[in-house]
Amino acid sequence: ETGVTQSPTHLIKTRGQQVTLRCSSQSGHNTVSWYQQALGQGPQFIFQYYREEENGRGNFPPRFSGLQFPNYSSELNVNALELDDSALYLCASSFSREAEYFGPGTRLTVT
Amino acid sequence: RKEVEQDPGPFNVPEGATVAFNCTYSNSASQSFFWYRQDCRKEPKLLMSVYSSGNEDGRFTAQLNRASQYISLLIRDSKLSDSATYLCVVQSSSASKIIFGSGTRLSIRP
Repeated sequence: ETGVTQSPTHLIKTRGQQVTLRCSSQSGHNTVSWYQQALGQGPQFIFQYYREEENGRGNFPPRFSGLQFPNYSSELNVNALELDDSALYLCASSFSREAEYFGPGTRLTVT
Repeated sequence: RKEVEQDPGPFNVPEGATVAFNCTYSNSASQSFFWYRQDCRKEPKLLMSVYSSGNEDGRFTAQLNRASQYISLLIRDSKLSDSATYLCVVQSSSASKIIFGSGTRLSIRP
């Protein structure tokens, strides 16, 4: 086990709603990245937080936002949910942007 | 053209065989490279980092070719437990952008 935890494990939301996903990083890690993984695809990079600042962002709209807290845990917020947002959301932590270790993911279903 | 490309497979090989995967990338400024394995409905797990000099971990060998912009993974003496999807990852330090390939499915048969 990597020590990266995510909550909740599963979530069902309705189109237009908002969702918050949570991630606790591995002890000693200061960087958290978030990914979206659709079935049969590789993870797509959403953004990365390093020492509480956004450090890089993939091709996701502004309705995907995040936070990193002083203890390096993190949240991913998605507003105005769309059906295509249904996916596995993965959080990964690392020390200073080195190799990343993934949590088990949150499976989001938007109906 | 995708920024990171992998042969999706599936590769179906007998136990004990040697199998190799390649992954090509388009951004010559890419700095860091990794291989992950992902089992069905599980999270990706770090297999190994890839260094310019090449590196080996037991039956696994990873290589980086910057001139041709590809990384490779070689698995020797494959085991049934090696069946998984193998994902290559390319990271650009300037943009802090991390790109996963779509993955190569490997199935080892007895």
